[in-house]
Amino acid sequence: EAEVAQSPRYKITEKSQAVAFWCDPISGHATLYWYRQILGQGPELLVQFQDESVVDDSQLPKDRFSAERLKGVDSTLKIQPAELGDSAMYLCASSLMDSGRGAFFGQGTRLTVV
Amino acid sequence: GQSLEQPSEVTAVEGAIVQINCTYQTSGFYGLSWYQQHDGGAPTFLSYNALDGLEETGRFSSFLSRSDSYGYLLLQELQMKDSASYFCAVSGNTPLVFGKGTRLSVIA
Repeated sequence: EAEVAQSPRYKITEKSQAVAFWCDPISGHATLYWYRQILGQGPELLVQFQDESVVDDSQLPKDRFSAERLKGVDSTLKIQPAELGDSAMYLCASSLMDSGRGAFFGQGTRLTVV
Repeated sequence: GQSLEQPSEVTAVEGAIVQINCTYQTSGFYGLSWYQQHDGGAPTFLSYNALDGLEETGRFSSFLSRSDSYGYLLLQELQMKDSASYFCAVSGNTPLVFGKGTRLSVIA
């Protein structure tokens, strides 16, 4: 069964260090989302890609966060420098279209900043 | 912008029926979807409604009223494994936005 792959599953980093997360969406899915989820809350969108283009990054803290999807397939989300408040689950999701119908999530990366 | 409202917690008895409501505000509405998330896991897609009416998938059904900006998820024959958080999400002219989630506890 096709699934969204994310790595690493867990990451502990010291504040002010750089950290990167990787996502490989389901084959053929043009739309890719990065979400951040704090325990007990809903996923908050950071960035949406349609193929290699950014559709929406209005909620991405661009002073420290960056995201790319260079060939329109896999994607990387980077934080530099990490802050204590960045501790959260980072989820990647993909869907066939940008209608929001049927977004499929990876298992996420649990980030702890110490 | 977009906003969604859903109850924060619901408790129901095993074997019963429970309804989780969601009201939304958005521009350029495409559809309303529902996701289930168990503790420590990732959200999993349950259903999607673009048109008014009821969509049924096994024990789960989802309803949409576009004129009322309202939808609900109906879970029948509740099982202990249904204890999880349930999120409604709306898509429109802006990307997929999630509600804060409803924590469902199924008790014996």
